[in-house]
Amino acid sequence: DAGITQSPRHKVTETGTPVTLRCHQTENHRYMYWYRQDPGHGLRLIHYSYGVKDTDKGEVSDGYSVSRSKTEDFLLTLESATSSQTSVYFCAISEAGQGNTGELFFGEGSRLTVL
Amino acid sequence: RKEVEQDPGPFNVPEGATVAFNCTYSNSASQSFFWYRQDCRKEPKLLMSVYSSGNEDGRFTAQLNRASQYISLLIRDSKLSDSATYLCVVTLYNFNKFYFGSGTKLNVKP
Repeated sequence: DAGITQSPRHKVTETGTPVTLRCHQTENHRYMYWYRQDPGHGLRLIHYSYGVKDTDKGEVSDGYSVSRSKTEDFLLTLESATSSQTSVYFCAISEAGQGNTGELFFGEGSRLTVL
Repeated sequence: RKEVEQDPGPFNVPEGATVAFNCTYSNSASQSFFWYRQDCRKEPKLLMSVYSSGNEDGRFTAQLNRASQYISLLIRDSKLSDSATYLCVVTLYNFNKFYFGSGTKLNVKP
């Protein structure tokens, strides 16, 4: 299994509080992603990174920010959590370049509940 | 409009049955195609890539129809362990962005 860990795995917080989810990889993969998964919507891309300090928005980026100061870490921040951000958040990594399979490797997910 | 659309199911089939899932994608520029499998409360994992010529991996066969913009997955001789949600995935232009369908749930019954 790919070396990718997410923390925290479970969190309950209140509306209006800031929340940061951390994704850590040991594979030295260039690309890192944050997805959220909700019933009926499947996995939706929030933000992704294609290198240190290089990030871009996904489909559902409003209310979220990210940072990548090191290859191995990708942080997702909810500046002021809302109940609509209650979800399961998955981090994923991928390598790019000639010959790669394009496979995404996922972390185990972080379950966030905003009350 | 969603990039990738799938029938959510569930598909309830007996062991040994053959079952097929379809998936449609909206962007003709989609470049790469995959099927992922997700077990309940677990992370998705790659099942197989989908190539233009079609490809097979044991009991699983994937096909791509670029003209009609759909992808299919055929599972033969279903096992109880095949029970899971199957996610259709496409990428655009390069491997930067992966777009997921909402998944098709399969229940294989004894």
